[in-house]
Amino acid sequence: NAGVTQTPKFRILKIGQSMTLQCTQDMNHNYMYWYRQDPGMGLKLIYYSVGAGITDKGEVPNGYNVSRSTTEDFPLRLELAAPSQTSVYFCASSLDGSYEQYFGPGTRLTVT
Amino acid sequence: ELKVEQNPLFLSMQEGKNYTIYCNYSTTSDRLYWYRQDPGKSLESLFVLLSNGAVKQEGRLMASLDTKARLSTLHITAAVHDLSATYFCAVDGRAQPDKLIFGTGTRLQVFP
Repeated sequence: NAGVTQTPKFRILKIGQSMTLQCTQDMNHNYMYWYRQDPGMGLKLIYYSVGAGITDKGEVPNGYNVSRSTTEDFPLRLELAAPSQTSVYFCASSLDGSYEQYFGPGTRLTVT
Repeated sequence: ELKVEQNPLFLSMQEGKNYTIYCNYSTTSDRLYWYRQDPGKSLESLFVLLSNGAVKQEGRLMASLDTKARLSTLHITAAVHDLSATYFCAVDGRAQPDKLIFGTGTRLQVFP
């Protein structure tokens, strides 16, 4: 099992550009999550999904969009990138809400 | 709104010593998680605590949960350098199931 994989590992965007961060899990987990981690801080939940076709907002959803068309994939879309979106983004998955979450390696995004 | 506070934020300790990290949260929750993060790396699950009085141990780390006091502790016994990392607690509030709220983390440095 590869677990949770994320691409790309690093990315530099110019202000106003858009991009999609990819996340795939091969553990047949129902729940998937996107977090951002700013330097020296904990993680903040952006969006999450409890199954294919179902998504919901977390603490900090503004400026992001998600979709979940399959169990395996949960892409995060940034529209009109802003410097405030400079962060490390982690995708995670869990069997259901009461189980531990497994995290991907992260994507380091810089918006200049 | 669920808030999660950890203390201390930074802990420098000598090898062989014992210490405790505290995690307080503000609203009712039955589920608490501890994660470890090495610098520049992703998060690794350490413990899942699902009921009042739960205690789990792995090596030199022991975690406990008191849901009445809204407090979890992570106790380090006879610290070794390999335990140097940032430790996060995360809480899943009853009012917001499936949404983990993370503490800001405790950065632990163990020196000889």
